Amino acid sequence: NAGVTQTPKFRVLKTGQSMTLLCAQDMNHEYMYWYRQDPGMGLRLIHYSVGEGTTAKGEVPDGYNVSRLKKQNFLLGLESAAPSQTSVYFCASSFPQSADTQYFGPGTRLTVL
Amino acid sequence: GDSVTQMEGPVTLSEEAFLTINCTYTATGYPSLFWYVQYPGEGLQLLLKATKADDKGSNKGFEATYRKETTSFHLEKGSVQVSDSAVYFCALITSGYSGYALNFGKGTSLLVTP
Repeated sequence: NAGVTQTPKFRVLKTGQSMTLLCAQDMNHEYMYWYRQDPGMGLRLIHYSVGEGTTAKGEVPDGYNVSRLKKQNFLLGLESAAPSQTSVYFCASSFPQSADTQYFGPGTRLTVL
Repeated sequence: GDSVTQMEGPVTLSEEAFLTINCTYTATGYPSLFWYVQYPGEGLQLLLKATKADDKGSNKGFEATYRKETTSFHLEKGSVQVSDSAVYFCALITSGYSGYALNFGKGTSLLVTP
């Protein structure tokens, strides 16, 4: 099992550019999450999904969109990147009966210039 | 709202020293409490958890006890190793709109020197 994988690992964008971060899991988890990690801030939830075709906003959703077209994939989109979105992005997944035990990907380091 | 406060780092210890990382929480309900660990260049991994008061979570020599009376969940290890160098996050989960997601503290960086 690969677990949770994220693509790409690193990316540099210019302000106003768009991009999509891909998260994939092979553990048949229903729940998937996108977090961002900023220095001194811990992790904050951006969006989450409790199943294929469903998404919901987390703590800091502004400037991001998500889609869950397939159970194993959860995409995070930035339509018009801003320097404030410079961060490390982590995807996670879990079973609903054990949503407290989340499995994290290795992260994507995004810099917006 | 629910929140977690953990001690500021970085914490630097010599190998075989005793480790304590303090964590306190504020929650309206009855949260489950967790410690996650992030090794350099990796994602977070669940280290241990406790789901009700007086429960003790333990793993890899680390322990933490859920203390409802002091709203605390301090992480301890009797003898740290160089390989324990990482960032440690205290977290909780309660029901609610974001109840599917963990509420993390800011993290405490630990460096263990030989």
